Parts: sequence; C-alpha cells; structure tokens
Amino acid sequence: NAGVTQTPKFRILKIGQSMTLQCTQDMNHNYMYWYRQDPGMGLKLIYYSVGAGITDKGEVPNGYNVSRSTTEDFPLRLELAAPSQTSVYFCASSYGVADTQYFGPGTRLTVL
Amino acid sequence: KQEVTQIPAALSVPEGENLVLNCSFTDSAIYNLQWFRQDPGKGLTSLLLIQSSQREQTSGRLNASLDKSSGRSTLYIAASQPGDSATYLCAVRGGGSNYKLTFGKGTLLTVNP
Repeated sequence: NAGVTQTPKFRILKIGQSMTLQCTQDMNHNYMYWYRQDPGMGLKLIYYSVGAGITDKGEVPNGYNVSRSTTEDFPLRLELAAPSQTSVYFCASSYGVADTQYFGPGTRLTVL
Repeated sequence: KQEVTQIPAALSVPEGENLVLNCSFTDSAIYNLQWFRQDPGKGLTSLLLIQSSQREQTSGRLNASLDKSSGRSTLYIAASQPGDSATYLCAVRGGGSNYKLTFGKGTLLTVNP
C-alpha cells in the first residue's frame, strides 16, 4: 500500500504558466481533498471530492480547478500561476467524511 | 466561523518529561477532532481521532481528550523522546454536511536529549 502519492515534489513556475499537481490514492477512499499550507498558517481547504465525478469548492478555490474521473486520482490544476500561489500543497483522502484523513508528502510550489 | 487556536506555539522540553499540548475551538458543534504530527518537509501523519461523542482516545504514549462544551482538547505525551520532536496540529470537522477540517497553526515541539 503506497497510501497517498503526490507528484512532483518540487516545482518552480513563472507567472502565468499552468501546471497540474497529481494525486493518487490506493486505499479505495471515497473522499479526497486538496489543501495548501502557507508558512505560519494553518492548512486551508482548496477543493474536495466525495466520489468520482463529484467535486466542490473549499475555503480558497480561486485560481484552481479539479476533476475526479476515477476513485484513485484527484489532480489539481493551476491555470495562470501567480506569486500568491507559492505554497506547499497537500492531497489527502478518507474513506468516509468522519474518518481519519491520510495525507500525501506534499508538493512545494514556487511562482516567480 | 470556526477558529482553532493552539497554545503554546513552541515548546522545548528535556527528554523524559511528560507534556501537554492545548487546542481550543470557537464553535462547539463539531463532528470530530483530529491530532496530526508533521515532520519538517513532510506530510501530516494522523495520531488520534476523537469523535464528538467521545471524551478521550489513547495510542501508546499519547492520550487525547476532548471537552466539546468548553471547546477544548489536549494532547498528552508521556515520557517524551527526541523522536517526538515535530509540529503537532489540531483540526476540527464541523457538523452536518460540512466536510471542512479547520486546522490550528500547530505547536512546534522540541525534545532535547
């Protein structure tokens, strides 16, 4: 069991570039989440999904998009990168809404 | 709006000491509360999950308590070890169809040999 995996681990983008952060879980979890963590701040929820084909906005969705075509994968898309999107991004999953969330190792993104 | 506060922001103790980390939340209508550990440059590892109907959970040297009515939780670490050095995060899930976890900013724990 690999758990939750994320790629890439690090990435530097120029302002205006686009990229997709990949997230895959092999635990057959229904719920998946994307968070961002800024220095000295708590994690903020960007988007979440309650199952394949169903996604919804979290606390800070502006500038991001998601899709969930399979149970396993939940990619996060940045369309026009801005310096404010410099952060560490974590993907997480859980079997049920009230269950333990399992986190991936994170992607450290810098936008210059 | 739910707010989660963790005190202290940083704590340094000698090895072997018992210690308590504190977490408070403003809205007592929570579904559950979760304690995580985060090592530098790593993801979060879940330590304990307490449902709103529970008072405490234990795992090894860790014990977490929950007082929902007063909006407080504590994480007790017994006989601390240098390997316990990490940031400890508290997160609460709102009630109903609120899927969001609201996180505190964490307590940075250093256990000195």
